[in-house]
Amino acid sequence: EVQLVESGGGLVQSGRSLRLSCAASGFTFDDYAMHWVRQAPGKGLEWVSGITWNSDSIAYAESLKGRFTISRNNAKNSLYLQVNSLRAEDTAVYYCAKDWAGSQLAGMDVWGQGTAVTVSS
Amino acid sequence: DIQMTQSPSSLSASVGDRVTITCRASQGISNYLAWYQQKPGRVPKLLIYAAFALQSGVPSRFSGSGSGTDFTLTISSLQPEDVASYYCQQYNSPPLTFGGGTKMEIK
Repeated sequence: EVQLVESGGGLVQSGRSLRLSCAASGFTFDDYAMHWVRQAPGKGLEWVSGITWNSDSIAYAESLKGRFTISRNNAKNSLYLQVNSLRAEDTAVYYCAKDWAGSQLAGMDVWGQGTAVTVSS
Repeated sequence: DIQMTQSPSSLSASVGDRVTITCRASQGISNYLAWYQQKPGRVPKLLIYAAFALQSGVPSRFSGSGSGTDFTLTISSLQPEDVASYYCQQYNSPPLTFGGGTKMEIK
């Protein structure tokens, strides 16, 4: 069974950093690009960042550039998101998602259950 | 960035109705468009990719069309289990972007 399990969320103070992780199983992780997508309470989906299978291509939402860093470890079947200088507006559920493509950033055909991040002032 | 504009933002229809959601891109994206369904309290689910290709397991009452800047998602006969929010997403060029969503309700 294809599965994505996020971890690392929680309550964090404004200005602090957080590292989210996503453990993948049930598919050949290093064949596919991966993404982070977030959803603020009661709001729509916002794409955060994506990374191709070999990390050759990485992209971020324009509004988030500079504070967010995506990475992956294919040997550990894991995806990561480092978030620095957290702000109240970063409060959201963060989803890890698998792309149906490998060498380009396309779309998401498998989603994790999400990890909630709450930023307090 | 390519902006994706969905309409309507909410929609109420009766069981059995044919319903259409529209998504417009701020510039041409060929057919690099996906549609997702998110039921209340659930994780998003891929419905359609490449503008009209139905993801495996998705009921055939869902269909997608369009190319360039204008796209539609159609449900041919609305069912109670279709109550959800629907999002379009472009993948013509990074950064990837979602539409604002359409909330579907049953009358």
